[in-house]
Amino acid sequence: DIQMTQSPSTLSASVGDRVTITCRASQSISRWLAWYQQKPGKAPNLLIYDVSSLNSGVPSRFSGSGSGTEFTLTIASLQPDDLATYYCQQYSVYPLTFGGGTKVEIK
Amino acid sequence: QVQLVQSGPDVKKAGTSVKVSCKASGFTFSASTMHWVRQGRGQRLEWIGWVVVGSGNTKSAQNFRERVTITRDMSTSTVYMELSSLRSDDTAVYYCAAERGGEGVFDLWGQGTVVTVSS
Repeated sequence: DIQMTQSPSTLSASVGDRVTITCRASQSISRWLAWYQQKPGKAPNLLIYDVSSLNSGVPSRFSGSGSGTEFTLTIASLQPDDLATYYCQQYSVYPLTFGGGTKVEIK
Repeated sequence: QVQLVQSGPDVKKAGTSVKVSCKASGFTFSASTMHWVRQGRGQRLEWIGWVVVGSGNTKSAQNFRERVTITRDMSTSTVYMELSSLRSDDTAVYYCAAERGGEGVFDLWGQGTVVTVSS
């Protein structure tokens, strides 16, 4: 199975800060990577697919980049509504696997 | 309204089975692939398996292959996930999720169903 490793596991930032989350795959997954946002007590919600394609309705402050084994999710200007846990997911091979999550807290 | 609505919480004894349902509306159910994903308390998301709605073909993760059955009822736009031989570590929130575009991308999620397994 492909292991997905996210860092950091938790981050605390102020409103307006630029925030970057990293996701590493244990082997190359080309560009078959998605990011999800999960707010407390809710189901995950698709933010980005194919590394950098924004899902419909997702604010443009979210962006993704990378290829192969290293990927990043960037929030250009952190907003109070961004309080959530973020997960990366590879869909290059089965079984589909997720990272351990990055919890974003607002200072 | 485009949505997936799951069945309510369930409590089961270890060794028994649970069946969770997920009713789709607002999109072309027959053209989708429906997945099941679970999340234990404080744990990462774990993919269980899928059913291609149109054909009924299924695929599941090796960890669940002997215990999970995923089915669909096209007449009611509902997908089901049955997990047998329940253990305490099967206690989790179970989500259905729709893949309506790219393969392996979950662009619509159900609200989740809490399954508690007691010994």
